[in-house]
Amino acid sequence: AQSVTQLDSQVPVFEEAPVELRCNYSSSVSVYLFWYVQYPNQGLQLLLKYLSGSTLVESINGFEAEFNKSQTSFHLRKPSVHISDTAEYFCAVSDSGGSNYKLTFGKGTLLTVNP
Amino acid sequence: GAGVSQSPRYKVAKRGQDVALRCDPISGHVSLFWYQQALGQGPEFLTYFQNEAQLDKSGLPSDRFFAERPEGSVSTLKIQRTQQEDSAVYLCASSIRDRALNEQFFGPGTRLTVL
Repeated sequence: AQSVTQLDSQVPVFEEAPVELRCNYSSSVSVYLFWYVQYPNQGLQLLLKYLSGSTLVESINGFEAEFNKSQTSFHLRKPSVHISDTAEYFCAVSDSGGSNYKLTFGKGTLLTVNP
Repeated sequence: GAGVSQSPRYKVAKRGQDVALRCDPISGHVSLFWYQQALGQGPEFLTYFQNEAQLDKSGLPSDRFFAERPEGSVSTLKIQRTQQEDSAVYLCASSIRDRALNEQFFGPGTRLTVL
């Protein structure tokens, strides 16, 4: 079984500031890692994912996350945030084996970008 | 192209009532998932269908919860004799295949409130 810890339930930042949303996971097997975003009044959307290969993955809107196996982390970063990045962000993990369809989510981090 | 739709969007039930929540996945998507998201928590896996076959129901919290997808498209999550602890947002997701390489597309959810 896997578990995900998102240490920060809320992260307020000013526009154009950098941000890091932390995610740590626990698993006894190899994992796949995901970040999902939920904008106000919308469904969850996949932001980026790590399956294999390069440990640094990027999204189309400037977010990036790095898989760190030794620290069991998959922190999400953006060098300069916009008001439109205000949303709730969920880190998720699945095992890389037969039940890799089953996502285990963290509790989420509410990112609020202020002008 | 329509995304995943769910109905109703909001449901209020008296304790002890039965409820049925509907999910219309993206056309052609083989896999369908149900998740439960309690207030302040991340989504938790309930069950998984591949076409009409329910391959994993390990996350259903009790035998009061039942899900079906008889024709491999629309799915219904039924909760019998609702309890207050069933109050949550129920999310449906679909994926073109059953592997983590394939993104899960989420619907907007049904918010169930049990009085």
